[in-house]
Amino acid sequence: EDKVVQSPLSLVVHEGDTVTLNCSYEVTNFRSLLWYKQEKKAPTFLFMLTSSGIEKKSGRLSSILDKKELSSILNITATQTGDSAIYLCAVVREYGNKLVFGAGTILRVKS
Amino acid sequence: GAVVSQHPSWVICKSGTSVKIECRSLDFQATTMFWYRQFPKQSLMLMATSNEGSKATYEQGVEKDKFLINHASLTLSTLTVTSAHPEDSSFYICSAPHREVGETQYFGPGTRLLVL
Repeated sequence: EDKVVQSPLSLVVHEGDTVTLNCSYEVTNFRSLLWYKQEKKAPTFLFMLTSSGIEKKSGRLSSILDKKELSSILNITATQTGDSAIYLCAVVREYGNKLVFGAGTILRVKS
Repeated sequence: GAVVSQHPSWVICKSGTSVKIECRSLDFQATTMFWYRQFPKQSLMLMATSNEGSKATYEQGVEKDKFLINHASLTLSTLTVTSAHPEDSSFYICSAPHREVGETQYFGPGTRLLVL
């Protein structure tokens, strides 16, 4: 059975801190891994990773995939209160477009 | 960017009634759409895959007679929660993959359902 595990489940940091969120997966015929940020409504897309070792960056957020370790990390530097959200990791298999989601990491950034 | 809309954004209904939720891809065609349910402080759980022109594919444990899915056109999928019960109260979200941007999926804003 396909499995996506995120850690930690929740995290509280202070503004300015750097955080690293983890996602590991066991999926048949892996194709890509996606990161989403969810605030009050539906998830918004952050990154899609398909190749190992290539960092994707957007402002203070960055992410990288390690296919050998079957994992990915999402880094957020100089955190702000607006980064408080649930961060979801999802994996897509080779055939079809179904997303298998992890449980999410709840991040709270205190001012 | 690609936009997916959902309607209604929230609904309150009495137990035993049916509720229809619409999911539309606004600027692209989607032969496949996905329906998820999310309970408070939990992740998204895939309920079913909606296929244009054919039957939906349901995940294990999801009652197809209770959650009716119709993918009537390349831009519209509907989820009907039949004979709703309080335990069906949840956040329902649809998504659609956009072919031109790979398998990135765009999510609708979600529909919050409360069954009294």
